[in-house]
Amino acid sequence: DIQMTQSPSSLSASVGDRVTITCRASQGIRNDLGWYQQRPGKAPQRLIQAASTLHSGASSRFSGRGYGTEFTLTISSLQPEDSGTYYCLQHNSFPRTFGPGTKVEIK
Amino acid sequence: QVQLQESGTGLVKPSETLSLTCTVSTASISTFYWSWIRQPPGQRLEWIGFINSRGKTIYNPSVESRVTITVDPSRNQFSLNLKFVTAADTAVYFCARGGDWAPDFWGPGMLVTVSS
Repeated sequence: DIQMTQSPSSLSASVGDRVTITCRASQGIRNDLGWYQQRPGKAPQRLIQAASTLHSGASSRFSGRGYGTEFTLTISSLQPEDSGTYYCLQHNSFPRTFGPGTKVEIK
Repeated sequence: QVQLQESGTGLVKPSETLSLTCTVSTASISTFYWSWIRQPPGQRLEWIGFINSRGKTIYNPSVESRVTITVDPSRNQFSLNLKFVTAADTAVYFCARGGDWAPDFWGPGMLVTVSS
């Protein structure tokens, strides 16, 4: 299985801050990676597909970069509604695997 | 906007079978792949498997010996059966569109508790 790791595991930042989350794959996955936001008690919502393509309807504050084994999700200007847990998902090989999540809190 | 809704039994006894159905609205199930994903309390998401309209399935080896995913195009539904459940199968179960790519639309999720 491809192992996905994320850093940091949690962060606390102020409204307006620029925030970056990193996701690493244990082997190369090209750009077969998605990013999700999950609010408590809700289903994950896709933000980014193919590592860098913004999901239709997602805020342009979110951007993704990366290829191969290292990927980043950036929130350009943190807003209160951005609190939640963020997950990466690789869909390059089976089984599909998710990262452990990064919890984002607003100071 | 594609809508999905999980339904089924929320409480299952150990060693019995967990059965869930996902009803898809505003999109035909006859295209795309359709996935089941679960999230044990406080843990990361785990992909269970997916199916296409022709019945082709791929499962996570962690559950492959116990799981069956089926599709009913006439009802625009797909289903999950997981046999011989234990407490470790207690989770929120999500259905979603996709699997050959990062799933885009998800159901709200359904908590299934395994307990006697």
